[in-house]
Amino acid sequence: DTEVTQTPKHLVMGMTNKKSLKCEQHMGHRAMYWYKQKAKKPPELMFVYSYEKLSINESVPSRFSPECPNSSLLNLHLHALQPEDSALYLCASSQGTGLVKNIQYFGAGTRLSVL
Amino acid sequence: GENVEQHPSTLSVQEGDSAVIKCTYSDSASNYFPWYKQELGKRPQLIIDIRSNVGEKKDQRIAVTLNKTAKHFSLHITETQPEDSAVYFCAVGTDKLIFGTGTRLQVFP
Repeated sequence: DTEVTQTPKHLVMGMTNKKSLKCEQHMGHRAMYWYKQKAKKPPELMFVYSYEKLSINESVPSRFSPECPNSSLLNLHLHALQPEDSALYLCASSQGTGLVKNIQYFGAGTRLSVL
Repeated sequence: GENVEQHPSTLSVQEGDSAVIKCTYSDSASNYFPWYKQELGKRPQLIIDIRSNVGEKKDQRIAVTLNKTAKHFSLHITETQPEDSAVYFCAVGTDKLIFGTGTRLQVFP
């Protein structure tokens, strides 16, 4: 099973709303990632969690707040977003972050629209 | 930081022909080179990967070659089929993956 599940599939929110994106995997992976993908662009890394600790933050604005409650779950809390934050948000997981464990499996994404 | 260039940005081929996509990178410490296929509205899916101690890897119609000295690697698809039509991303990894800009491949019947 190489399934990474993301909810919701679609989300529309206003600039004053607070919402959360959820990601779940049951492959025993110890690294989880958030990416942002704009239309016709490659995925851009936002955050990396390794063994439930934040290991990489790619200078993401504080209106995006990640959380890793346990090794299977990854959340992305959203607050006071801007219309330019509209994008596909992808979660991924891998067995670890070292060389031999670096295969990343992606979820189907949450398509976010900020009005 | 790492810089990954991918060419061409679009590629149109006739069914049955071969397709080649090339990526170059800047960080000689990079050690992992995957290729992802993303169909419209779908998730990126790993199709093949290669590690820095290997020069070539093949899986049926798909192959990847790596030249560490020149810092480039290529995806080769033979006997292309219409279902190969998608956007292909290369990526370069050490502690994280940096993606190339993508190649839109169209295979015409």
